[in-house]
Amino acid sequence: GENVEQHPSTLSVQEGDSAVIKCTYSDSASNYFPWYKQELGKGPQLIIDIRSNVGEKKDQRIAVTLNKTAKHFSLHITETQPEDSAVYFCAASKGWGTGNQFYFGTGTSLTVIP
Amino acid sequence: GAVVSQHPSRVICKSGTSVKIECRSLDFQATTMFWYRQFPKKSLMLMATSNEGSKATYEQGVEKDKFLINHASLTLSTLTVTSAHPEDSSFYICSALSGANVLTFGAGSRLTVL
Repeated sequence: GENVEQHPSTLSVQEGDSAVIKCTYSDSASNYFPWYKQELGKGPQLIIDIRSNVGEKKDQRIAVTLNKTAKHFSLHITETQPEDSAVYFCAASKGWGTGNQFYFGTGTSLTVIP
Repeated sequence: GAVVSQHPSRVICKSGTSVKIECRSLDFQATTMFWYRQFPKKSLMLMATSNEGSKATYEQGVEKDKFLINHASLTLSTLTVTSAHPEDSSFYICSALSGANVLTFGAGSRLTVL
């Protein structure tokens, strides 16, 4: 089955600096890679995703890059703000339809220091 | 965007009673929903996959008779924790899969068993 590893587990950055979180996956058939942000006491929220037919996607201060050959993808947050502090999860998925599974990383706790 | 409503957000019950948690996809139909359990500062632990009109598929180690899952319609899945014990206290989160293979999470339900 798929195995998703996520690093680092904790990350502290100064406000305004960039943060990078990296994930690797094992199954080359995985073709969809979402990132979720989870604030304390809430459910995860989708912040950005990328499909295997593109190498990079950007949405304002957030970007995701995908290297299919190396089987890794990364989340980049620029100009970090205190409200970016949360736990971030990466995930990998393959295929479509009923019962399609998502495999999650173990999460990265990001703290942005004002 | 896709919205998943989860209710109740918090529930406190006595040991031995049963608790039902509802998960609704508000603006899309979801043939597949997932139920997760999350321990403090830990990742998402998949409990079961719920497919509309069929029996749920439980992950290894999850007691199907204790955690009853029903997916009676394309917009509603329920998780019933039967004969709850203090060790069942946890944060339970549902998610629903849209036709575009996008996974949307509910806000989570905090269960406390006294």
